[in-house]
Amino acid sequence: KAGVTQTPRYLIKTRGQQVTLSCSPISGHRSVSWYQQTPGQGLQFLFEYFSETQRNKGNFPGRFSGRQFSNSRSEMNVSTLELGDSALYLCASSLEWWDTEQYFGPGTRLTVT
Amino acid sequence: GENVEQHPSTLSVQEGDSAVIKCTYSDSASNYFPWYKQELGKRPQLIIDIRSNVGEKKDQRIAVTLNKTAKHFSLHITETQPEDSAVYFCAAGDAGKSTFGDGTTLTVKP
Repeated sequence: KAGVTQTPRYLIKTRGQQVTLSCSPISGHRSVSWYQQTPGQGLQFLFEYFSETQRNKGNFPGRFSGRQFSNSRSEMNVSTLELGDSALYLCASSLEWWDTEQYFGPGTRLTVT
Repeated sequence: GENVEQHPSTLSVQEGDSAVIKCTYSDSASNYFPWYKQELGKRPQLIIDIRSNVGEKKDQRIAVTLNKTAKHFSLHITETQPEDSAVYFCAAGDAGKSTFGDGTTLTVKP
């Protein structure tokens, strides 16, 4: 079974631009969570989606948003990029929303210049 | 919200020795405590987890213990090998949402 995939793997953007990242969960997994990983802040929870609905949200500004499609694929969007948004963005999938075992994708490395 | 503290931030051991990483959490509602290993440039990989109704779990050289009363849990790695060198993260949470510790960089010297 294929693992969690994320595209693109690397991205360079300029301050003020917006970006969309994509995550395809493991086949059959319906819950997708997003995390931001930075050297100083570790792994920070962004949000979790299940059945096209946002179930949980972390403490991030409204510039960070996401959605999930009927095939469980998920996208996250960051608008008006800031230098501090440079990070590795990881998504993780699990079978159901109550299923706590998560499997991470390889991440998207976003650099904002 | 949940707050997870992880110690130590760096740990260096000799090959064959044991390594222990400790985490504390604040939210008594948390009932799932996974540990992830992240090698340089790679994704976090789940290595072991424990749920709130279990006090200890072991998988070969890795074990995790949980003390719900004190709100702390620990990862124990015995007979360490150079390939155990990585960043280890603990997490605490519930379905769909986990709060992570800041990570422990483990270096195993041959």
